[in-house]
Amino acid sequence: NAGVTQTPKFRVLKTGQSMTLLCAQDMNHEYMYWYRQDPGMGLRLIHYSVGEGTTAKGEVPDGYNVSRLKKQNFLLGLESAAPSQTSVYFCASSYWDASSGNTIYFGEGSWLTVV
Amino acid sequence: KNQVEQSPQSLIILEGKNCTLQCNYTVSPFSNLRWYKQDTGRGPVSLTIMTFSENTKSNGRYTATLDADTKQSSLHITASQLSDSASYICVVDNGNNRLAFGKGNQVVVIP
Repeated sequence: NAGVTQTPKFRVLKTGQSMTLLCAQDMNHEYMYWYRQDPGMGLRLIHYSVGEGTTAKGEVPDGYNVSRLKKQNFLLGLESAAPSQTSVYFCASSYWDASSGNTIYFGEGSWLTVV
Repeated sequence: KNQVEQSPQSLIILEGKNCTLQCNYTVSPFSNLRWYKQDTGRGPVSLTIMTFSENTKSNGRYTATLDADTKQSSLHITASQLSDSASYICVVDNGNNRLAFGKGNQVVVIP
């Protein structure tokens, strides 16, 4: 059981390039999320998905797109990278139960630098 | 305005000593509050979760408290170890699949 796996772990992009971050979870979770974490700021939600084939905007969605074609995968795309998108990106998945609400599991992070 | 405020922003403690981290929130409605530990270069890992009716929850040397009336929570670390050096993040769930994250308490334990 690998949990939540993100690839790649590190990437350097030039301004204007595109790329896709891949997130995979093997826990059969319905919910998946993409967050970014910047120095001095809390985790901010970019996009999320409540099930296969669904996506929704989070707090900071501009400049990003996502797809959830399979339940276990959640892809984050940058169409035209900008220096402001230099950040650490965390994927997460969660399940819900009546006693504890949403229990979220995070991946190990993807460090993206846009130059 | 951030809905979850944590203090102190950072602190340094001697190995073996105790420390307490604070979390104040304004999130409403309230479903549960979690404390996560994030080691440098790693993803956050859940330490405790408390619902509205719970006042305290322990996980080894970590003890979290919740006062839902004053909307305050604390995380107490007992007999700190070098491995406790990390960022501790307070997360409040409003029950509608929206989480509010604090900026974290950065703890450094020195020998």
